[in-house]
Amino acid sequence: NAGVTQTPKFQVLKTGQSMTLQCAQDMNHEYMSWYRQDPGMGLRLIHYSVGAGITDQGEVPNGYNVSRSTTEDFPLRLLSAAPSQTSVYFCASSQTLGRSSYNEQFFGPGTRLTVL
Amino acid sequence: SQELEQSPQSLIVQEGKNLTINCTSSKTLYGLYWYKQKYGEGLIFLMMLQKGGEEKSHEKITAKLDEKKQQSSLHITASQPSHAGIYLCGAGFGSGNTGKLIFGQGTTLQVKP
Repeated sequence: NAGVTQTPKFQVLKTGQSMTLQCAQDMNHEYMSWYRQDPGMGLRLIHYSVGAGITDQGEVPNGYNVSRSTTEDFPLRLLSAAPSQTSVYFCASSQTLGRSSYNEQFFGPGTRLTVL
Repeated sequence: SQELEQSPQSLIVQEGKNLTINCTSSKTLYGLYWYKQKYGEGLIFLMMLQKGGEEKSHEKITAKLDEKKQQSSLHITASQPSHAGIYLCGAGFGSGNTGKLIFGQGTTLQVKP
C-alpha cells in the first residue's frame, strides 16, 4: 500500500492563480481531511469528508473548495490564491471517525505552497 | 485551535531530563491523538486514547487521558535528542460529532545534549 499520497510536494503560485492539491489513499478509508500548518498555529482543519459525496467545512474553509467523488481521492482547490494561503498542507485519512469509533489518522507527506 | 490548548508552547530540556506536555479542553474529548513531527517533515502517529483514565506507553513516551476526558498529558522519560520536534494533540468533540478532528497549536521540544 502506498498509504496517503499528495501531489505536488512544492508549488509556487502568483496571487489570483487557481490550482488543485491532490490527495489519494489506497486503504479504502471513509474519512479524509485537509489541514494547513502555519508556524505556531498547529494543524487547522480546512475541510473534511466522511464518505464519497459527503463533505463539510472545518475551522478555516474560506478560499478552498473540496469534492469527494470517489473513496480514494479528495482534492483541495484554491480558487484564487492569496499570500495568506502560503502554508504547508496535509491530507489525512482513516477508517470511520465518529463519537464511538476513532481510528489512527494517516497523514500524507504534505504540500508546501507559496503564494507570491 | 482554541478548543484545544497545549502547554507549554515550547520547551527546552537537558538530555536525560523528564518532561510533560499537556493538552486541555473545556469540552469532553473523544478520540485523543498524539503525533510527533520533526522539523519540515510529516507527522508520526504516537498514540490514541479513548477511555477516561486510559494510559498508553511506547518506549519512553507515556500518554494519559484523565477521568473526565478533558485533559491529556504526554510524558517523556529520560529525554534524548531524538525526542526533539513538534508534538501535536488532536481530538474529536462533543455529542453527535462525526468527523471533525481538531488539533492543538503544538509544543516545540528541544533537547540539549
